[in-house]
Amino acid sequence: GNSVTQMEGPVTLSEEAFLTINCTYTATGYPSLFWYVQYPGEGLQLLLKATKADDKGSNKGFEATYRKETTSFHLEKGSVQVSDSAVYFCALGSNDYKLSFGAGTTVTVRA
Amino acid sequence: DAGVIQSPRHEVTEMGQEVTLRCKPISGHNSLFWYRQTMMRGLELLIYFNNNVPIDDSGMPEDRFSAKMPNASFSTLKIQPSEPRDSAVYFCASSKLAGGQNEQFFGPGTRLTVL
Repeated sequence: GNSVTQMEGPVTLSEEAFLTINCTYTATGYPSLFWYVQYPGEGLQLLLKATKADDKGSNKGFEATYRKETTSFHLEKGSVQVSDSAVYFCALGSNDYKLSFGAGTTVTVRA
Repeated sequence: DAGVIQSPRHEVTEMGQEVTLRCKPISGHNSLFWYRQTMMRGLELLIYFNNNVPIDDSGMPEDRFSAKMPNASFSTLKIQPSEPRDSAVYFCASSKLAGGQNEQFFGPGTRLTVL
């Protein structure tokens, strides 16, 4: 079946540091890949997505590239801010319209 | 545009009581999903509907849980009777299925506490 494995947290960084959250997946066919972000007390929001191999999703300074050869979709940001403190979820979308979520990675950015 | 609307935002009830959570999906979306989030188990899909029809309810934990979608603009998740272990944040999400892309839009969630 489909599954997503993402880097366990928590991750604590200083402002302006480089952030990477690893995500790998197992799937049949050609899934879509997503990163969602959840700020404290809120629901999940779509951060970025990629629908086919070699696509790069980007938003708010975050980027992730769909790598079919390594079955990965790692999230990166070159310079984080305090406002980036949140829980980040990697997700895989399959043809049955469901999303398979990773366990989530809590990121805390200190000023 | 209004996003997914959930009510109530917070619910505190006593064990054995009936709880009903409500969701209004984004207008024009044809799929609706109910999730439960806890520290221990993370985010779990409970059930999802496509065009108001339940497609997969394999995530519903027990017969105490039931969900309905009487029309395209409203869904309920009911727990009867509630138990302390049902305490969690329950999210509703909706999606417009087109071209195989299945981005879901989440509501703010209902935080349920069962005493």
